Amino acid sequence: KAGVTQTPRYLIKTRGQQVTLSCSPISGHRSVSWYQQTPGQGLQFLFEYFSETQRNKGNFPGRFSGRQFSNSRSEMNVSTLELGDSALYLCASSLDRASSPLHFGNGTRLTVT
Amino acid sequence: DQQVKQNSPSLSVQEGRISILNCDYTNSMFDYFLWYKKYPAEGPTFLISISSIKDKNEDGRFTVFLNKSAKHLSLHIVPSQPGDSAVYFCATYPLSGAGSYQLTFGKGTKLSVIP
Repeated sequence: KAGVTQTPRYLIKTRGQQVTLSCSPISGHRSVSWYQQTPGQGLQFLFEYFSETQRNKGNFPGRFSGRQFSNSRSEMNVSTLELGDSALYLCASSLDRASSPLHFGNGTRLTVT
Repeated sequence: DQQVKQNSPSLSVQEGRISILNCDYTNSMFDYFLWYKKYPAEGPTFLISISSIKDKNEDGRFTVFLNKSAKHLSLHIVPSQPGDSAVYFCATYPLSGAGSYQLTFGKGTKLSVIP
């Protein structure tokens, strides 16, 4: 079974630009979450989607948004990029069932210059 | 305020010995706990989990212990192997209500297994 696939793996953008990251979950997984990893803050929750609806949202500004499609694939968007948005962005998927672990992709490394 | 704490940033262990990684949490709403292993430039890999109705779960060389009264969990790796060298994250979420499926992570412990 294929794992969680994230594209692209690396991205370099300039301050003020916007970026879209893509995630394909494990087949059969309908819950998709996004996390940001930085050296200072560690791994932080961005948002979680199920059946095309955002169920949970972390404490990030409105510049961070996401969506989920009917095939469970998800995208996240960051507008008006800031230098502090440089991070590893991780997508995770899980079965929508109690005590289901989240399985992560290898992430997209975003560098904002 | 950190809700999940891994107080040891790093740990070195000889190959073949036991590695013990510790994690403390503050929120009693957390009732599902997971350990992940992470190599540089890769996403976290799920290792083992435990729900709050249990106090121990084993999977091969990995055992997780949960002490609910102390709000403490630990991961034991026996025997430790050089390939276990990675950063280990403790994570948790409540099984129901607000925040379910929303993982709260510790800052991680870097394990080095010395051949």
